[in-house]
Amino acid sequence: QKEVEQNSGPLSVPEGAIASLNCTYSDRGSQSFFWYRQYSGKSPELIMSIYSNGDKEDGRFTAQLNKASQYVSLLIRDSQPSDSATYLCAVKTSYDKVIFGPGTSLSVIP
Amino acid sequence: GAGVSQSPRYKVAKRGQDVALRCDPISGHVSLFWYQQALGQGPEFLTYFQNEAQLDKSGLPSDRFFAERPEGSVSTLKIQRTQQEDSAVYLCASSLVVRGRSYEQYFGPGTRLTVT
Repeated sequence: QKEVEQNSGPLSVPEGAIASLNCTYSDRGSQSFFWYRQYSGKSPELIMSIYSNGDKEDGRFTAQLNKASQYVSLLIRDSQPSDSATYLCAVKTSYDKVIFGPGTSLSVIP
Repeated sequence: GAGVSQSPRYKVAKRGQDVALRCDPISGHVSLFWYQQALGQGPEFLTYFQNEAQLDKSGLPSDRFFAERPEGSVSTLKIQRTQQEDSAVYLCASSLVVRGRSYEQYFGPGTRLTVT
């Protein structure tokens, strides 16, 4: 089992819809969780960090964390074509290493 | 302030050559990380430092890979006797540490290494 898994893409949503991205992780001791956006040919850019169970909202983005289920998600409301990118889930494990998932490619169709 | 910088941005090496990739972290960021990213994959952890101490090098793929951060600021990732499978983008990231806990990582633009 990989340490961080994400639902395989590509994920296509129409403009204005909600995009839902999911991530599971294996280390129960993990305490810090991050979502990064990566455009083709660019480096990852931090969108959200979440440390506690529940929801955290920032503009059109909402991160959700459920430590009991070892699950973290990212919702993007009112999706725009400029949101088309690969979204990377990253987990800081109990041994202080940050592990990235393989990424989910999102395409927002105008 | 300035973000993480990396140089060179692109490097073409002939198989068997040694290369050195440089990372200049955000000022004041104690933690520094190196990742390798193959096309279509997520970044794979290579190694990380807190100040000058290399705390984890478990991701380095072979003993041809070596990283250092002698003064706790700039870091160099060296690859000896490059092989074609070393072709990838090498990403550097840095983060703050507060009371022993490191926070969000900020990435540099990466170095794209092509081994021919």
